[in-house]
Amino acid sequence: DTEVTQTPKHLVMGMTNKKSLKCEQHMGHRAMYWYKQKAKKPPELMFVYSYEKLSINESVPSRFSPECPNSSLLNLHLHALQPEDSALYLCASSQEATSGPYNEQFFGPGTRLTVL
Amino acid sequence: DAKTTQPPSMDCAEGRAANLPCNHSTISGNEYVYWYRQIHSQGPQYIIHGLKNNETNEMASLIITEDRKSSTLILPHATLRDTAVYYCIVDYNQFYFGTGTSLTVIP
Repeated sequence: DTEVTQTPKHLVMGMTNKKSLKCEQHMGHRAMYWYKQKAKKPPELMFVYSYEKLSINESVPSRFSPECPNSSLLNLHLHALQPEDSALYLCASSQEATSGPYNEQFFGPGTRLTVL
Repeated sequence: DAKTTQPPSMDCAEGRAANLPCNHSTISGNEYVYWYRQIHSQGPQYIIHGLKNNETNEMASLIITEDRKSSTLILPHATLRDTAVYYCIVDYNQFYFGTGTSLTVIP
């Protein structure tokens, strides 16, 4: 199974709502990632988890809260978001979170988030 | 910092080879070059990666210059389904996407 799944596919939320995005992989990968992609822009790295521990936070606002409950699952908790946070949120995984020949990242299809 | 430079757009006739260049002049050490593509609103798809030598797989070929400061992705026989944004990424421990090249394959 070389698939990364993300749920939900689409999410509409108000600025006072609390919601969560979910990402799952069963490839035995020990690194998982969250990216944010605005329309017509490249993906931007948000967070990196390595062996279930947060290793990189790219200065992301605290209204985004990642969580890695186990090696297969990655969540992104959302609270008090702003309309400018509307974007495609991509999850990815790789064998390790280090540079090298095995850092190929497998991406999920993304969650399209709209904040009203 | 993206650290890669790609032309913003290219066209290619269907059935012809598509050659997509990338400049990564700040590359050093043992950083790999990865290529991904993204079809509209889907997750990026891995194509190929390499370090020094040329690489080929069922999707594409990757040519890396001897000084490793640039590379070219070659799609040997472009089809309409190859229309996508192509990203060249230098793996500085993490992936920082550049602006990519929007490739349009024309019938």
